[in-house]
Amino acid sequence: QVQLVESGGGVVQSGRSLRLSCAASGFTFRSHGFHWVRQSPGKGLEWVAAIWYDGSKKYYGDSVKGRFSISRDDSKNTLYLQMNSLTVEDTALYYCARDITFTGLDSWGQGTLVTVSS
Amino acid sequence: QSALTQPPSASGSPGQSVAISCTGTSSDVGGYNYVSWYQQHPGKAPKLMIYDVTKRPSGVPDRFSGSKSGNTASLTVSGLQAEDEADYYCSSYAGGHSVFGTGTKVTVL
Repeated sequence: QVQLVESGGGVVQSGRSLRLSCAASGFTFRSHGFHWVRQSPGKGLEWVAAIWYDGSKKYYGDSVKGRFSISRDDSKNTLYLQMNSLTVEDTALYYCARDITFTGLDSWGQGTLVTVSS
Repeated sequence: QSALTQPPSASGSPGQSVAISCTGTSSDVGGYNYVSWYQQHPGKAPKLMIYDVTKRPSGVPDRFSGSKSGNTASLTVSGLQAEDEADYYCSSYAGGHSVFGTGTKVTVL
């Protein structure tokens, strides 16, 4: 069955970096685009970034543009999110999700928690 | 990239229908037929309920339906059941990025 498992979250100081990973299984990884979506504690969903099925295009939300970078390694069936210059506003549960259309995210991981301290 | 506007809450009795609106602009909801709806229960990951305005993924009951008129999309849940009590979020393509709605908490009375 389709499975997405995020890892790499933790507590980090403001200004530092963190790299999240999302390991996929149960489907043909290279056939899908992927997204990162985050949710601050008690708040709503915020779209973070997306990457096309072939990695040719990458898109970012305004709040992370220039600081975060999305990438994929099809040989490892793994999606990444490199997060630099973290601020307390980046504290959230980060989900990876598979897309069937750009906004149709049909499979989600359980999320990995990132806490940025000042 | 402003969030799409949803009512904070909606409610209905079992068996009734509830409709949730999602208002954006001509740059997102009104400009593309790429509106999706997600259901999220407490402590769980979101679940895709509707995509491309009206399409239901396999396994989603046909009690859930989507529509769009101008800059406003809607999700209708017919025949409300206790398990439909959750938070619901809309999402729209906005030209090179996505934007989520503010979320609506649906309560089954």
